[in-house]
Formats: sequence, C-alpha cells, structure tokens
Amino acid sequence: AQRVTQPEKLLSVFKGAPVELKCNYSYSGSPELFWYVQYSRQRLQLLLRHISRESIKGFTADLNKGETSFHLKKPFAQEEDSAMYYCALKADYKLSFGAGTTVTVRA
Amino acid sequence: DAGVIQSPRHEVTEMGQEVTLRCKPISGHNSLFWYRQTMMRGLELLIYFNNNVPIDDSGMPEDRFSAKMPNASFSTLKIQPSEPRDSAVYFCASSYGNQPQHFGDGTRLSIL
Repeated sequence: AQRVTQPEKLLSVFKGAPVELKCNYSYSGSPELFWYVQYSRQRLQLLLRHISRESIKGFTADLNKGETSFHLKKPFAQEEDSAMYYCALKADYKLSFGAGTTVTVRA
Repeated sequence: DAGVIQSPRHEVTEMGQEVTLRCKPISGHNSLFWYRQTMMRGLELLIYFNNNVPIDDSGMPEDRFSAKMPNASFSTLKIQPSEPRDSAVYFCASSYGNQPQHFGDGTRLSIL
C-alpha cells in the first residue's frame, strides 16, 4: 500500500526567505507524485507534477527515489504563497494525500 | 471551461436528515472521484467512478453513504441518515485518462 508523509503541519517563513516543504512516500511500484495547493477556502489546484519537471509560481520539486522524497521548494517566498500544500502519490487511479502543510508567509 | 461544479457550496442540516451533494465533472472527463476532507483524517477517497461505473467504493464509510453516476455529466453523493460526525468538506474531482485530477470547490457540510 502507498503512503505519503508530510512531517510538518505548520510552516512559517518571512517574505523573501526560502521555503521547503517536505514529502516522503512509500510505494513498491514506480511512483507518480504531485503537489496540490489549496488557498483559503478554495478548491485544490494542481501545482506540480513530477513528470513535468517544470517550475510553477517559482516552486520546484525533485523526485529523489533513493530517499523516497518529493520536497517542494521556493527560493523566495511571497505573501500570496500562504496556503495549504498537499503532496500526493498516484498509484493506478488512486491519489493518496499527505496530511498537508499549512504555510504562512509573514511580511 | 467552468471546471468541476459542485452544489451546494454549504449545507447545514439536522442529524437524521438526508443530504444530497451534487457534482458536474468537466466535460469529456471519464473518471470521477468523491473525497472527504476533515481535520482529523485529511483527504480521503470515498468512491471512484470510471465511465459512470463505480470501480472502487472501499472508502465509503458505511451504508449510510451512497453515490451514483447516472450519466457522464452528473454524480450525487447521498448520506441518509446524516450524523454530526459526517460534518466535513466533500470534494468532487474528475480526470481524463491518466491526466491529473481537477477538483471542484467542495461542499462544506455541517450536521447539527
């Protein structure tokens, strides 16, 4: 069975500081990993997909199969980045989500 | 593209009442998912439909919960009778093939 762990429930950073959200997974097959973002009381939106290897809103994430991690990073946090971030692993059709990390960016 | 449309956005009702949540997936999408989001358990998959057929309902908590997809453009999640512990945000999501899931705005359900 697959499992996604986001060890930090809350993360507070200052504007302009780097931010890193940790995500570790366990899965016996070849994983497909995502980061979703949920702004206050809004829908979940796809932020990144590991196979795309792109940068969205300044965020990047690299799949490290050796460490079974898919950490999300941004070098300079902005106030509009304040949101809930979910790491998710797709196995077949099923998306398994981590518990989420609430990011607060302070001015 | 209006995205996945859910209704109602908010529902407050008394325990014991029947609750029906509605979802219109993105046109052309052939997979539909219902999720429940709570503080305690995070996001949980309740049921998955593919081409209108329920494929995996192992996440449906108990017999009080039922879901239908009578056609490709509509699905319902019903709770009867409702209980206070059913209070949560219920999300519907849809996708096409192996593409990522797109989520609706959710229904915030409060059972008093």
